Amino acid sequence: QVQLQESGPGLVKPSETLSLTCTVSGGSISSYYWSWIRQSPGKGLEWIGYIYYTGNTYYNPSLKSRVIISLDTSSNQFSLNLRSVTAADTAVYYCARDQGTVSGAPGAFDIWGLGTMVTVS
Amino acid sequence: EIVLTQSPGTLSLSPGERATLSCRTSQSISSSYLAWYQQKPGQAPRLLIYGASNRATGIPDRFSGSGSGTDFTLTISRLEPEDFAVYFCQQYGDFFTFGPGTKVDIK
Repeated sequence: QVQLQESGPGLVKPSETLSLTCTVSGGSISSYYWSWIRQSPGKGLEWIGYIYYTGNTYYNPSLKSRVIISLDTSSNQFSLNLRSVTAADTAVYYCARDQGTVSGAPGAFDIWGLGTMVTVS
Repeated sequence: EIVLTQSPGTLSLSPGERATLSCRTSQSISSSYLAWYQQKPGQAPRLLIYGASNRATGIPDRFSGSGSGTDFTLTISRLEPEDFAVYFCQQYGDFFTFGPGTKVDIK
């Protein structure tokens, strides 16, 4: 079955760039929408953005100016770069697969990674 | 941005009882693009319901979803010990936003 695994530094300095990678195993990344979502005690669950297997991206407007999500189909991975981080970006970061809808639009998140805690300090 | 409100914040019930969780959206959700997730401590959320009323793969039939427009409900017909957790609703009609969650704990 498809599994997702986040990887990357657990500690990032303020003003630097947070970089995480999600490795997809048990299936191909060459379909579906692939998202990054974060969770913090103060802000709850917050969707960051997605990348479609075609390479098209869409970001949360509140983070759009700082986010880039990219895809590496040869490695079955997708990545998150969030620049100019502050303490407010401290959270558990999840990657997730979006199962889509029958019309081909983004849908609910049916498979999640375990999550990785990132602290900005 | 569509804002989701969940009630109650905490629901204290006993195993075997029925749980009714509410999710209200600030705008009508097109095509019932509303999902429910369960989250246990230290775990990622798990998809329970999508399209307001469709159970995800492997989800027991004691979980059911209903509603449309701006008012949605998740019902757990008879609580099992493993059902005590936090439940989130999420809309995907206008990018994605989540509710703050309802904690179902043991009375």
